[in-house]
Amino acid sequence: EVQLLESGGGLVQPGGSLRLSCAASGFTFSISDMTWVRQAPGKGLEWVSVISDDGRRTYCADSVKGRFTISRDNSGNTLYLQMNSLRLEDTAVYHCARGMAGAGTSWYFDLWGRGTLVTVSS
Amino acid sequence: EIVMTQSPATLSVSPGERATLSCRASQSVSTNLAWYQQKPGQAPRLLIYGASTRATGIPARFSGSGSGTEFTLTISSLQSEDFAVYYCQQYNNWPPEGTFGQGTKVEIK
Repeated sequence: EVQLLESGGGLVQPGGSLRLSCAASGFTFSISDMTWVRQAPGKGLEWVSVISDDGRRTYCADSVKGRFTISRDNSGNTLYLQMNSLRLEDTAVYHCARGMAGAGTSWYFDLWGRGTLVTVSS
Repeated sequence: EIVMTQSPATLSVSPGERATLSCRASQSVSTNLAWYQQKPGQAPRLLIYGASTRATGIPARFSGSGSGTEFTLTISSLQSEDFAVYYCQQYNNWPPEGTFGQGTKVEIK
């Protein structure tokens, strides 16, 4: 079955750290660009970070730049998001998704995980 | 950064009726636009890409149209399972910040 399964969320204090994982199965992970998209409670979708299929190119949204790091392990079919210096406003469900390159310069996302909840609170 | 604006915020429709959702880009995104459906507690699901191409397994009652800055998602005859939040997303421009619209909730009238 083609799927993405996130894990690693939880409750963390402001300033703390957390590492999210996304396990991929059923498709060739190593040739897929991957992304993290988050959704604050009751809010819409916010793109967070992207990584190329070979892991050499990464990009993060300004809102998380310098605090979050995206990485991947193609041998283990796993995507990661290292989150440091967490803030209250980082509270959200974090989804991983597979990026598909269209005719534009960015991606649309054809496969999503259900997400893992990160709660930043004191 | 391109801003994506969806309207209306909420659409009340009776089962079997037609639903028309709009998405406007602050500058042209050509046809590099996708639509997603999200139900509570679930992952978003890709419905449409390339403004008008249905993703694999998406029923024919879903159709997309438009180019440039104005786009429409039409659900021809709403089924009970179609009541959800719908998001548009542009993938024409870099960087991807602000890539998603704020969503339209389709609710039962």
